[in-house]
Amino acid sequence: GAVVSQHPSRVICKSGTSVKIECRSLDFQATTMFWYRQFPKQSLMLMATSNEGSKATYEQGVEKDKFLINHASLTLSTLTVTSAHPEDSSFYICSAIDISTDTQYFGPGTRLTVL
Amino acid sequence: SQQGEEDPQALSIQEGENATMNCSYKTSINNLQWYRQNSGRGLVHLILIRSNEREKHSGRLRVTLDTSKKSSSLLITASRAADTASYFCATARYGNNRLAFGKGNQVVVIP
Repeated sequence: GAVVSQHPSRVICKSGTSVKIECRSLDFQATTMFWYRQFPKQSLMLMATSNEGSKATYEQGVEKDKFLINHASLTLSTLTVTSAHPEDSSFYICSAIDISTDTQYFGPGTRLTVL
Repeated sequence: SQQGEEDPQALSIQEGENATMNCSYKTSINNLQWYRQNSGRGLVHLILIRSNEREKHSGRLRVTLDTSKKSSSLLITASRAADTASYFCATARYGNNRLAFGKGNQVVVIP
């Protein structure tokens, strides 16, 4: 099946720093990607929809200035957590849609720990 | 809002037994997808069933969809220890690829 990669898989940073997470579709083009957040033993919460060549669409309650999304190409979207705080520690997962099958494929996730 | 909502149950079964999970949702959908997640990992797509389909098979997986009851079930036959994971259903609405995830079902298969 289609493959979506994320980098890095784990990151530990100090409070106040910014962290960039990359999401790539490896064998298909994705005009739309999604960013999710998942807390331990909970389901996925959609943060934003990343659209190639246009601004991201954020879900209610998600700060767009804190979670910057850039979808510069048909295979890459990035999420930057700016001025990270301990409460931003979470598991961040991206996904990309293969429009030929309507299937959404997920990356392996990035574990962010803010000290 | 959450579209897919699995029955809030953790399932513990013996290897070789079948595992059944259910999912209900509230609005009209374009398709419903089932995913598996191993602890601390990403989601693995298992199967997609469209709103005009009633049943679908993939290997040891069998998914049903009842749009009149707005519910779906996932059956894993002849379970294996490697099937131990959390299983999520997620729904997509027409004209909108955003997925709404349910709470997830924790399945433990005992060797």
